[in-house]
Amino acid sequence: DVKVTQSSRYLVKRTGEKVFLECVQDMDHENMFWYRQDPGLGLRLIYFSYDVKMKEKGDIPEGYSVSREKKERFSLILESASTNQTSMYLCASSIGRDPTHEQFFGPGTRLTVL
Amino acid sequence: DQQVKQNSPSLSVQEGRISILNCDYTNSMFDYFLWYKKYPAEGPTFLISISSIKDKNEDGRFTVFLNKSAKHLSLHIVPSQPGDSAVYFCAVTNAGKSTFGDGTTLTVKP
Repeated sequence: DVKVTQSSRYLVKRTGEKVFLECVQDMDHENMFWYRQDPGLGLRLIYFSYDVKMKEKGDIPEGYSVSREKKERFSLILESASTNQTSMYLCASSIGRDPTHEQFFGPGTRLTVL
Repeated sequence: DQQVKQNSPSLSVQEGRISILNCDYTNSMFDYFLWYKKYPAEGPTFLISISSIKDKNEDGRFTVFLNKSAKHLSLHIVPSQPGDSAVYFCAVTNAGKSTFGDGTTLTVKP
């Protein structure tokens, strides 16, 4: 059974803190993605990666960075958390560049920045 | 500029009736279209997809229709069941990257 896991389900941080969100997939997928989900805005792509050590900016990369040192792990970093980064963060993975392959999502991390 | 739009934030239907969820997109270069379903406190899960070379794909109670000239995608659920109550996202894919709509919350009443 395919699995994408995220390090925390709920996280509360203070403004200015450095925040790490971890995502691990056990399917040997090449692609990994980070989204945030906000009411009325759907899922918005923050960063994605097609391979180890590679990263690409999504639609809303400002205030975020990522790291992919191993194929199975993709980390999202908030260098200095701000209240407007309070959101649900979803990690996903998929196989290769074939668009017919769907993305598999983790359960999400609800981040609150105070 | 929103490339994928789901104009109905919510939809309520009676159990056993048809649910129709709609999605519009702007870029005619998109070549693959997917629907995902999301329950509260879970990540989205893949439901059904369609290639741009087709106009219909069916999987059990779920059928997706694609109207390329109108740049319109719809998901039909027949018959609707209370367990179908969830948020539904349409997504368009190009080169392995997906763009999602805002989502439609479907409520199926017993």
